[in-house]
Amino acid sequence: VQLVESEGGLEQPGGSLRLSCAASGFSFNTYAMSWVRQAPGKGVEWVSSISDTGDGTYYADSVKGRFTISRDNSKNTLFLQMNSLRVEDTAIYYCAKETNHYGSGIFDYWGQGVLVTVSS
Amino acid sequence: DIQMTQSPSSLSASIGDRVTITCRASQNIFSFLNWYQQRSGKAPKLLIYAASNLQSGVPSKFSGSGSGTDFTLTISSLQPEDFATYYCQQSLTTPYSFGQGTKLEIK
Repeated sequence: VQLVESEGGLEQPGGSLRLSCAASGFSFNTYAMSWVRQAPGKGVEWVSSISDTGDGTYYADSVKGRFTISRDNSKNTLFLQMNSLRVEDTAIYYCAKETNHYGSGIFDYWGQGVLVTVSS
Repeated sequence: DIQMTQSPSSLSASIGDRVTITCRASQNIFSFLNWYQQRSGKAPKLLIYAASNLQSGVPSKFSGSGSGTDFTLTISSLQPEDFATYYCQQSLTTPYSFGQGTKLEIK
């Protein structure tokens, strides 16, 4: 199993950024996937999850209405569209594989993480 | 939302020691409790799922117990690679929530 996130970056408050995560080594289209983040020097925070088909999506209140999770099963890729970025969104973002198709909330494989910095 | 509280926040121990970390949920989460290890600069790694099940490839020196609201992670015979930060996490319902972490340091 390998999960490789795209490069993060620096964005101004109010801006947008799209993260992607390329998956390999497993049947991507049969597992739910998630994004989890960690602010510098802080703990771990769940951000969003998506079911195997993409029919079910779930968000933390802190990002609801601003972030959109999606997936392209034909390309084994997970996405996180981040709009209306805030300074407090600054974090390392990890994509993570879950252990079943609808969403177990158990994250058995993680990507290496990408740093997103929101600053003026 | 379910709040997860770990204790202690930090812990000093010596090579060869056995340590226990506690995690408490703000409501009954049955056995929907997972433990992760995070080494410095790395992604978290799943150690234990469903309170007491050892993830494939994880050494048996790690063990978990508990149900309902109170859970423990025990690490026996500490080695240098075990000094890291440990997180509990509930997977009963979204928003999935993590404890604040327990940093295990060498004494």
